[in-house]
Amino acid sequence: DTGVSQDPRHKITKRGQNVTFRCDPISEHNRLYWYRQTLGQGPEFLTYFQNEAQLEKSRLLSDRFSAERPKGSFSTLEIQRTEQGDSAMYLCASSFDANSGNTIYFGEGSWLTVV
Amino acid sequence: AQKITQTQPGMFVQEKEAVTLDCTYDTSDQSYGLFWYKQPSSGEMIFLIYQGSYDEQNATEGRYSLNFQKARKSANLVISASQLGDSAMYFCAMRERTGNQFYFGTGTSLTVIP
Repeated sequence: DTGVSQDPRHKITKRGQNVTFRCDPISEHNRLYWYRQTLGQGPEFLTYFQNEAQLEKSRLLSDRFSAERPKGSFSTLEIQRTEQGDSAMYLCASSFDANSGNTIYFGEGSWLTVV
Repeated sequence: AQKITQTQPGMFVQEKEAVTLDCTYDTSDQSYGLFWYKQPSSGEMIFLIYQGSYDEQNATEGRYSLNFQKARKSANLVISASQLGDSAMYFCAMRERTGNQFYFGTGTSLTVIP
């Protein structure tokens, strides 16, 4: 399978715990995105990497959230001191070029439930 | 202001019939791209079709076509010959030339009735 893969697919955690999600993009893609999606809503942009550089972060990305892409390949999204409002699906996507015509390809998402 | 507006929370269509899902967008950029994605209950966002702002022809991909009306800032998705497997959420999205992120609408839930 050469698509975007995310791990874990589902995570249930207690409030206050830390969680980490991993994303492996399509191998030749240099751009990587994290989105968050809550029930009944479309995906909301969190952050974006070009290679290993984090070039843009949304206001949604509070200081409890941190994302890395250390070698310009896979990426991790960590949420510290989780809150119930963090319950959502976290989607990773990748693309090859900056051209507005290049679409982004999503993984299957990581569902987070904070209890 | 919302960048992408989808005004149909839910739609029903009879199997084998065509259906149009509405999308309007808001941008001041001259160059932008418009996209439609399908999201089944499994959660994965599946890319369906793309339309560039300078494309003169409406995009088509198999049973999917995009009715692009630039002056009205609309980019409606037309699904022809609906199939039961088309039942899913459908999201319209836009990427501006000047930005890096994709903006998504709130989606339309399509149910295909046998």
